[in-house]
Amino acid sequence: AQSVAQPEDQVNVAEGNPLTVKCTYSVSGNPYLFWYVQYPNRGLQFLLKYITGDNLVKGSYGFEAEFNKSQTSFHLKKPSALVSDSALYFCAVRDGPTGGFKTIFGAGTRLFVKA
Amino acid sequence: SAVISQKPSRDICQRGTSLTIQCQVDSQVTMMFWYRQQPGQSLTLIATANQGSEATYESGFVIDKFPISRPNLTFSTLTVSNMSPEDSSIYLCSVERGARETQYFGPGTRLLVL
Repeated sequence: AQSVAQPEDQVNVAEGNPLTVKCTYSVSGNPYLFWYVQYPNRGLQFLLKYITGDNLVKGSYGFEAEFNKSQTSFHLKKPSALVSDSALYFCAVRDGPTGGFKTIFGAGTRLFVKA
Repeated sequence: SAVISQKPSRDICQRGTSLTIQCQVDSQVTMMFWYRQQPGQSLTLIATANQGSEATYESGFVIDKFPISRPNLTFSTLTVSNMSPEDSSIYLCSVERGARETQYFGPGTRLLVL
């Protein structure tokens, strides 16, 4: 069965410093991996996805993620954090035909960026 | 992308009553999903709704409690029936245009059951 894990409930970063939000996954086939962000009292917004191709994926708001097949990881990164990046971040994996194409979300990681 | 609106944005309801949540998309989409999210927590899929067919419910969710309609390719409703305080949550509508593609989410409906 597909699964995704976000080992950190919370990540604290000072503004201007690089940030990493961790995600590991387990899939039976080729992974379709996503990152979403949720700002307070808002729905989820798509940040980026990996389907195939380059292992480094660039997304919205200066975020990027690196797909590492050997470590089954898809960590979200940003070179310089902003206070406005403070939000709840979800890693997700899409299942294939046998699983009905469902999206499985991680538990979420709350990012706090301090000025 | 897709622009999704939900109505109502929030509501406070009495136990035993029912609430219907509407989801409107700005363009035709194949698959629509309904999720439940406790504040600050992850999303739980309630059901998948495709136009012209019965909704497919996840384990722990049943049609009598969460009836869904999908009359066309831009609209869906989720009803939370015979509500109890345990139904207090955020309900999110989501869409995608193709299998295993990016999902887009509505702003959510925040429900409080007293």
